[in-house]
Amino acid sequence: AQSVAQPEDQVNVAEGNPLTVKCTYSVSGNPYLFWYVQYPNRGLQFLLKYITGDNLVKGSYGFEAEFNKSQTSFHLKKPSALVSDSALYFCAVREPGANNLFFGTGTRLTVIP
Amino acid sequence: DSGVTQTPKHLITATGQRVTLRCSPRSGDLSVYWYQQSLDQGLQFLIHYYNGEERAKGNILERFSAQQFPDLHSELNLSSLELGDSALYFCASSVRTAIGELFFGEGSRLTVL
Repeated sequence: AQSVAQPEDQVNVAEGNPLTVKCTYSVSGNPYLFWYVQYPNRGLQFLLKYITGDNLVKGSYGFEAEFNKSQTSFHLKKPSALVSDSALYFCAVREPGANNLFFGTGTRLTVIP
Repeated sequence: DSGVTQTPKHLITATGQRVTLRCSPRSGDLSVYWYQQSLDQGLQFLIHYYNGEERAKGNILERFSAQQFPDLHSELNLSSLELGDSALYFCASSVRTAIGELFFGEGSRLTVL
């Protein structure tokens, strides 16, 4: 069965500093991995995905994520955090052949001015 | 704007009642997914429809049902409502490919009193 773990409920980072939001997964076969962001009172917005190929994936708003197969991780990163990046971030996984995305519990990112 | 439309945005009702939530997917998307987001359980997959047919079921209660109509809009019916059904219900749509990302609506916030 597929599962996703986001070990940190809350991440605080100072504006201008690099940020990392952690995600580990467990699936059968090669995973399809996704990151979404949710701003207050809004739906989830797609940031980036890993399907195959280069382990470093670049996405929207300057975010990127690194797929690490040996560590079964897909951490979200940004070189320089903005206050406007403050939001709830969800990692999601889809097993090959599965019909739905399975989401982690989310990590609340707060960027401190 | 994701292109996915959900109505109503907010709904307040009493225990034991029945409500219907509506979703219009992005133009051209054949797949519709329903998710429930509650504070204590994160984002839970409920059900997936593809071109009018049910394709996958997740943690959907027997009191809940859904369907996708020929015009591809979908409805989620929640009956015999309980206090614990209070949550944000999201609809998402996607193109046919299994590796595609989901596009989420703004959600319907249900409050059961």
